[in-house]
Amino acid sequence: EVQLVESGGGLVQPGGSLRLSCAASGFTFSNYWMTWVRQAPGKGLEWVANIKPDGSEKYYVDSVKGRFTMSRDNAKKSMYMQMNSLRAEDTAVYYCVRGRGVDVWGQGTTVTVSS
Amino acid sequence: DVVMTQSPPSLPVTLGQPASISCRSSQSLVHSDGNTYLNWFQQRPGQSPRRLIYKVSNRDSGVPDRFSGSGSGTDFTLKISRVEAEDVGVYYCMQSTHWPGAFGQGTKVEIK
Repeated sequence: EVQLVESGGGLVQPGGSLRLSCAASGFTFSNYWMTWVRQAPGKGLEWVANIKPDGSEKYYVDSVKGRFTMSRDNAKKSMYMQMNSLRAEDTAVYYCVRGRGVDVWGQGTTVTVSS
Repeated sequence: DVVMTQSPPSLPVTLGQPASISCRSSQSLVHSDGNTYLNWFQQRPGQSPRRLIYKVSNRDSGVPDRFSGSGSGTDFTLKISRVEAEDVGVYYCMQSTHWPGAFGQGTKVEIK
């Protein structure tokens, strides 16, 4: 079964850091672009960042550039998002999503930035 | 960056009647490989999004044939031929031709 499982969310103070993880199974992870999408409470979906299969290219939405860093470990079939200098507006459910086709989604992990 | 504009934001529909959602992109979504990576998603309350349509008009496995996608270039449409109660939710278009990717603002489909 193709599956994505996110972890690492939690409550953090403004200015703090968190590292999200996404564990993949059931498909050849190293063949796919991987993406993070987030959804703030009561709001729409927002594309956040993605990473090429070999990790050589990464793209970010302007609002997280310089603060968030994506990485991946194909041997571990996992990808990561290091989130620094967190702001209240980063509060959201973060989804791990497979491929340019964005066809497989995880269940999401919740990040809350609040004092 | 590409901007996706969806309309309407809210769509009240009578059961059994058709529904149509429009999505426009700020630039052409034709990729250099010839494909157009325009996707449609459904998000039911309390659930993760589910892809319905990929590359403009291809239905995902298990998606009822009352859902159809069309369009080209910068203008795209999702149609539901006869709305059923289970279709209530928010629908999003999303482009994955250009990076960064982008979603439309969403259209909330509700039953009148």
